[in-house]
Amino acid sequence: ETGVTQTPRHLVMGMTNKKSLKCEQHLGHNAMYWYKQSAKKPLELMFVYSLEERVENNSVPSRFSPECPNSSHLFLHLHTLQPEDSALYLCASSPGLGGDYEQYFGPGTRLTVT
Amino acid sequence: QKEVEQNSGPLSVPEGAIASLNCTYSDRGSQSFFWYRQYSGKSPELIMFIYSNGDKEDGRFTAQLNKASQYVSLLIRDSQPSDSATYLCAVNTGGGADGLTFGKGTHLIIQP
Repeated sequence: ETGVTQTPRHLVMGMTNKKSLKCEQHLGHNAMYWYKQSAKKPLELMFVYSLEERVENNSVPSRFSPECPNSSHLFLHLHTLQPEDSALYLCASSPGLGGDYEQYFGPGTRLTVT
Repeated sequence: QKEVEQNSGPLSVPEGAIASLNCTYSDRGSQSFFWYRQYSGKSPELIMFIYSNGDKEDGRFTAQLNKASQYVSLLIRDSQPSDSATYLCAVNTGGGADGLTFGKGTHLIIQP
């Protein structure tokens, strides 16, 4: 266990549904991240939060909406997704931003869009 | 465009031998380098990180960094079947808000 938890672990949703992914870190870290991992592709950074403020949005479609109510919790709200959005969604945290800090990953949510 | 390149493998190594995993990166300003291990169906697990040129050893693992050649490697000594996994190289350019740029990973198989 890395101290980063994610729920749900598996999610199947239709294209018209709305769902949310939750991430919680118990490490006292200040930065949190959402990544997407698709088959045959490298991990793709989606969003970066530092002390509850979004500092990076890597051209992610608006059907993905992040929320960070405090430094321990991170959500990813999903609506009107496409089948190509099916992937493993990973949350990570680090003590701070920048190159000196390692990131620790949660177990991920396996998302299937039907 | 920041890129991190790895040979996807599979790389097959006999048990007890040294496994050598390689990674190159395009951004000369990169400052820190990470190796993650990912078992099938699981999330990436941090193995080592390195910031300075040279070698860094932790148990059976050694990370090697050559910034002039933009090259980082991971050596696994006395390879065990439990080391069979995909190894991800990740690079942080230290530009403040960036997360990590990952390679596609090398699939390592340790043959008993």
